[in-house]
Parts: sequence; structure tokens; C-alpha cells
Amino acid sequence: AQKITQTQPGMFVQEKEAVTLDCTYDTSDPSYGLFWYKQPSSGEMIFLIYQGSYDQQNATEGRYSLNFQKARKSANLVISASQLGDSAMYFCAMREMTGGTSYGKLTFGQGTILTVHP
Amino acid sequence: GAGVSQSPSNKVTEKGKDVELRCDPISGHTALYWYRQSLGQGLEFLIYFQGNSAPDKSGLPSDRFSAERTGGSVSTLTIQRTQQEDSAVYLCASSFKAGQGAPLNSPLHFGNGTRLTVT
Repeated sequence: AQKITQTQPGMFVQEKEAVTLDCTYDTSDPSYGLFWYKQPSSGEMIFLIYQGSYDQQNATEGRYSLNFQKARKSANLVISASQLGDSAMYFCAMREMTGGTSYGKLTFGQGTILTVHP
Repeated sequence: GAGVSQSPSNKVTEKGKDVELRCDPISGHTALYWYRQSLGQGLEFLIYFQGNSAPDKSGLPSDRFSAERTGGSVSTLTIQRTQQEDSAVYLCASSFKAGQGAPLNSPLHFGNGTRLTVT
């Protein structure tokens, strides 16, 4: 079973509008972390935002916020006031705390390509 | 340097040849990770190091793949007898620490990758 599922292969948004990128995850661990990364066409991986499973509030970083619904096991990324430079591939990832040997690595979803139209 | 450095940035090799990919992590980062990304796909975990040890090498696709890390710094990923299906971008990342006691919220910092093409 996929641990991270991103069901939107591609999304389009008008400049200055908000957009939500979906991410659902599967884990039986009570303690885990969720990450979002941006990958522009240049290929670099840019860390955007983090949400911990025990965090009481949804994470926010500038124009990025995370809509964390623990019971639904979803961690959707919301980008407000989209800019042309937001056009990129976006990846959701999870780190599980399942013991010493597996703790550390991130498991990534398949990604969503976001295109911002002027 | 300030970031994770990978070399070469591009590598074209003939099927059956061996290749070595190099990663130099951020100074002070004890954890180092290798991922593979096929065209338009997500990141596939290969192996990670904490110091010079590799607690999790579960993602290595076959025994043609191996990796080592010396001095707790530079890592080399070696692919022997390359096949066309090995063509991908190989990404290296580092973080402060992994394993017991490591912070859950520590992000991975990625290099720009090595694009491997096997002809």
C-alpha cells in the first residue's frame, strides 16, 4: 500500500488565487512528521513546510499553510496568492518513528505538477 | 560549501559499465540519504547513513548497487554493470542526524542531483 498518496497529477491556478494540493498518508505510528517540498524545473528540492502529528495547530510559513486533518490522515498544502514562480512539482513526504533503523528517511508521494497562469 | 554538493551533474555511460556518483553533505550533517527519481516520478529511497553506518539500505534495487561513506562525510554510490533501467536522477540529501534521538522535524537538504543516462 502507498504510504503517501497525491491524487492530483496536475493542477492549474490563476495568478493571485489560492490553490490546495492534496496529500493523504497511511501509518500506524502515533508519532510522525509530514513535509512538503517544491521542485522547480531546475530540479532542486526546496523544503517548504513541516507538520508534526502532535502539533495542535496547522503549520504556516508565509504563503504556505498546511490543512492537517489527523483523523482523515490528510495533510493538504494551501498556497495563497499564487505567483508565476510557484509553478513547479510539489511533493508530500512523511517520516515515521518506527524504531532506530527506519527513522530518518522520508517517504515521498508521486507529486503534483502545479501550473500558475497569468 | 553551504549546500549539498553532487558530482558529476550529468553522466552518460554505456550499458554494462560501472559508474560512481559522489555526494558531499552539508558540513556538520551526520545523516546522508540517497534517492532516485525517474522522469516525472516521485523520489524512491535507496539508502541512508548515520555517520559511516548504513542502518537502512532497504531501497537498493539490486546487488549491483552499493554505497559507502567514509570519515562521516563524503558518500559514493556505485552502480555496477549499468542497465538502461538505471537511467534516472540520483539525489543525495543530508540532515543533522537520523536514528534514535534525532528530531522528527529535521528536513532533508538536497543536492541538485546527478542525471544518469545509460545508453
